[in-house]
Amino acid sequence: GQQVMQIPQYQHVQEGEDFTTYCNSSTTLSNIQWYKQRPGGHPVFLIQLVKSGEVKKQKRLTFQFGEAKKNSSLHITATQTTDVGTYFCAGTGNQFYFGTGTSLTVIP
Amino acid sequence: EPEVTQTPSHQVTQMGQEVILRCVPISNHLYFYWYRQILGQKVEFLVSFYNNEISEKSEIFDDQFSVERPDGSNFTLKIRSTKLEDSAMYFCASSEETPYSYEQYFGPGTRLTVT
Repeated sequence: GQQVMQIPQYQHVQEGEDFTTYCNSSTTLSNIQWYKQRPGGHPVFLIQLVKSGEVKKQKRLTFQFGEAKKNSSLHITATQTTDVGTYFCAGTGNQFYFGTGTSLTVIP
Repeated sequence: EPEVTQTPSHQVTQMGQEVILRCVPISNHLYFYWYRQILGQKVEFLVSFYNNEISEKSEIFDDQFSVERPDGSNFTLKIRSTKLEDSAMYFCASSEETPYSYEQYFGPGTRLTVT
């Protein structure tokens, strides 16, 4: 079946360092969404990408959708302690699949 | 700001018992979803619901599961005969428009513990 994998699974960074998580699908996606889940919380929608090669920015966050619509990335510039949480991509292929997630720890 | 609510926040049940998890989606939303998340793992899609019927379901959503919208506001997930492996956080979500093409708003979740 379709799989959506994310790497890395865990990432520890010093506050102020950059962070990137990569999302890879086994099949082409019609769109991709990114969610953030704080420890003990529920997923919160961040953004949706639809077009091949699309890039969107939200303050320190940059989201990209690959040309082949099979991969995506989330880059955070100059991380802050408030960025702590697990970042999930979620894509629509045959169904709606969440990625395996990347857990970000920011060390002050 | 409108939000999705879920009750109870924590449910403990014995193996083999039936449980009903309740959700109140955002009032003008048309699409409803259930997801589960086993502790420390990814979020898994269970089912989507639109116009009073299931629009899509995953392999996880077998005959032990059912969903219902018994009135104009509630959306429920029933597990007929719980198993130990059903222990997880169950999230309800809703969205305004076409499934998976629009922001989904998640509720705070119900933690189900099967003993």
